[in-house]
Amino acid sequence: AQSVTQLGSHVSVSEGALVLLRCNYSSSVPPYLFWYVQYPNQGLQLLLKYTTGATLVKGINGFEAEFKKSETSFHLTKPSAHMSDAAEYFCAVSSGGGADGLTFGKGTHLIIQP
Amino acid sequence: EPEVTQTPSHQVTQMGQEVILRCVPISNHLYFYWYRQILGQKVEFLVSFYNNEISEKSEIFDDQFSVERPDGSNFTLKIRSTKLEDSAMYFCATRPRDKRNTEAFFGQGTRLTVV
Repeated sequence: AQSVTQLGSHVSVSEGALVLLRCNYSSSVPPYLFWYVQYPNQGLQLLLKYTTGATLVKGINGFEAEFKKSETSFHLTKPSAHMSDAAEYFCAVSSGGGADGLTFGKGTHLIIQP
Repeated sequence: EPEVTQTPSHQVTQMGQEVILRCVPISNHLYFYWYRQILGQKVEFLVSFYNNEISEKSEIFDDQFSVERPDGSNFTLKIRSTKLEDSAMYFCATRPRDKRNTEAFFGQGTRLTVV
């Protein structure tokens, strides 16, 4: 079975400050990990993903995440927050095989203070 | 850029009625999914569909729910005898032919309101 834990349902940072959204997972097989962003009244958009290879992955809008197997973590970061980053962020895991569905975390609402 | 299209964007229905939510997958995608997001809660997996049959389903996906791809293009989720607690945003997602590309593309969602 797979599960995802996102620490902090709400995270508030100042514009220009570092963004850090935490994600820990559990998986019985090597995981495939994803971060999705959801803007108000919109669907889910993929920010970045880790499947194999380099553990530091870069995504859209300046976001990146590092897969740390020893810590079972896949935290999302961005060096400098922008007002447009305000959204809901979901971490998700899958085993990557076949028609396997995604298991999502509860989401973190990112608030950007001017 | 290709996208997953869902219709309607918003549906209001009376309790006990049947609803059908529709999804047009990205062309050549072979894996199809439905997810649900109750307001303020996380996105929950409902069902996956491949080669015209259900591959996996969650505990949520009971006999009230069914999926099909009747005409080879639309992928539908039918909810029979809707309940108030079925009110949620329903997302369709699809994945391409190549298993190694595990990215799922999501539609904009259908907001279902049961009154």
